[in-house]
Amino acid sequence: SQQGEEDPQALSIQEGENATMNCSYKTSINNLQWYRQNSGRGLVHLILIRSNEREKHSGRLRVTLDTSKKSSSLLITASRAADTASYFCATLLTDKLIFGTGTRLQVFP
Amino acid sequence: DAGVTQSPTHLIKTRGQQVTLRCSPISGHKSVSWYQQVLGQGPQFIFQYYEKEERGRGNFPDRFSARQFPNYSSELNVNALLLGDSALYLCASSLLPQDSLIYGYTFGSGTRLTVV
Repeated sequence: SQQGEEDPQALSIQEGENATMNCSYKTSINNLQWYRQNSGRGLVHLILIRSNEREKHSGRLRVTLDTSKKSSSLLITASRAADTASYFCATLLTDKLIFGTGTRLQVFP
Repeated sequence: DAGVTQSPTHLIKTRGQQVTLRCSPISGHKSVSWYQQVLGQGPQFIFQYYEKEERGRGNFPDRFSARQFPNYSSELNVNALLLGDSALYLCASSLLPQDSLIYGYTFGSGTRLTVV
C-alpha cells in the first residue's frame, strides 16, 4: 500500500517559475526522502530530511517537514526544462521505503 | 565506479511463464532491495536482502522469490506470470540496510517486464 499521497498529481509550469509539490503520509517516520524519476526509468535520490528537521536545502531544492501534520513539501526554484520528471516522496519503515503516488512535473521552455 | 546495473532492460513474456531479473549493486554495497512499479503508481517494496539473508518481504505472493549471491548480486524470480505482473522492476543497493536512514538508496534503471 502507498504510504504517501502527493499533491498535485500533475503540474505544468514555465521555465523560471517555481514548482511546489506536497506529500502527506500516514505513520510515524525516521526520515522522509524525495526521489525523481525520468520517463519511467530509475529513481534518483534528491534529498533526505530527518524527523527532527523542519527544513533542508540542496541547490535549487527546498524541503520542509511538518511531523505534526504528517506532511512535507518540495520546492524547486527557477525550474528548467530538464526538471521535467515525476517526483516521489518516500518514508522509511523498518528498512523499506514506502512511496507515494507521485507528482508529474512538466516544465515548458 | 559503476552504479547499480540491472539486466535485461526490457523483457516480454507470456502468461504462465517464469522470469529471472538480475541486479548488480554498487561495488562494496551489501544490501539489495527490489521494488515493483506499475504504470502510474509509486514503487512498491518486494524484498530486501543483506549478506545473502532475506531481511524483509513485501505483500507479494509466493510466486515472487529472490536470492543474493556471495558477490552481493541478486536475482528476482517470478513464476506463473500474470498480466498484472507487467511493471518496471527496480533494484536498489546500499552499503547497509539501514543506510537509508542517512543517505537514501541508489537505484538502477530498472527492467521493464511486459506480460502478454
